[in-house]
Amino acid sequence: DGGITQSPKYLFRKEGQNVTLSCEQNLNHDAMYWYRQDPGQGLRLIYYSQIVNDFQKGDIAEGYSVSREKKESFPLTVTSAQKNPTAFYLCASSTTGQGGQPQHFGDGTRLSIL
Amino acid sequence: GENVEQHPSTLSVQEGDSAVIKCTYSDSASNYFPWYKQELGKGPQLIIDIRSNVGEKKDQRIAVTLNKTAKHFSLHITETQPEDSAVYFCAASPRFMNNNDMRFGAGTRLTVKP
Repeated sequence: DGGITQSPKYLFRKEGQNVTLSCEQNLNHDAMYWYRQDPGQGLRLIYYSQIVNDFQKGDIAEGYSVSREKKESFPLTVTSAQKNPTAFYLCASSTTGQGGQPQHFGDGTRLSIL
Repeated sequence: GENVEQHPSTLSVQEGDSAVIKCTYSDSASNYFPWYKQELGKGPQLIIDIRSNVGEKKDQRIAVTLNKTAKHFSLHITETQPEDSAVYFCAASPRFMNNNDMRFGAGTRLTVKP
């Protein structure tokens, strides 16, 4: 089945530690996105990538980093500079990076602080 | 930039009744409006979408209406069932810009009581 796979489902971070969230898609989509979801709030864009080897900051990029070395993969690193990382993180993809395209989501990674 | 407001934040209905969720948007350039359903611990799933050249779209028990003049669009669910209980998000996207400009409402938690 084609889709987006996020791993792990749950992740715990210690103080001062960087952690990396995995996102893989086999939909052959060009564009990929990372969102943060906090309780009772909508989705806020962290980073997006319209094509391999290219990515752009979203609204809340501070404390996060990404890479896009392969079309299928768009990992997100939550660095120690992100002081409030506890949230539900969602990865999405769309056919292209142009407007008017539906985004397809993975089932998320829940990150908590130890 | 685009701003999407969604109401109500919570909605409780009796099984078999109808549910209506409303969203307003600010950017007249937006012309793609998807609706997502998010179940507990899962990622959002696209359930229906509408483009600005259409005023209404229906898919079995769900329908979406769009009023471009007033800049609002609504999700209608008829004959609600307990499995419709979830959080629903609306979104708006301008067609000729990068897809990263898709903006989401804050969500509506729908509870269908058996």
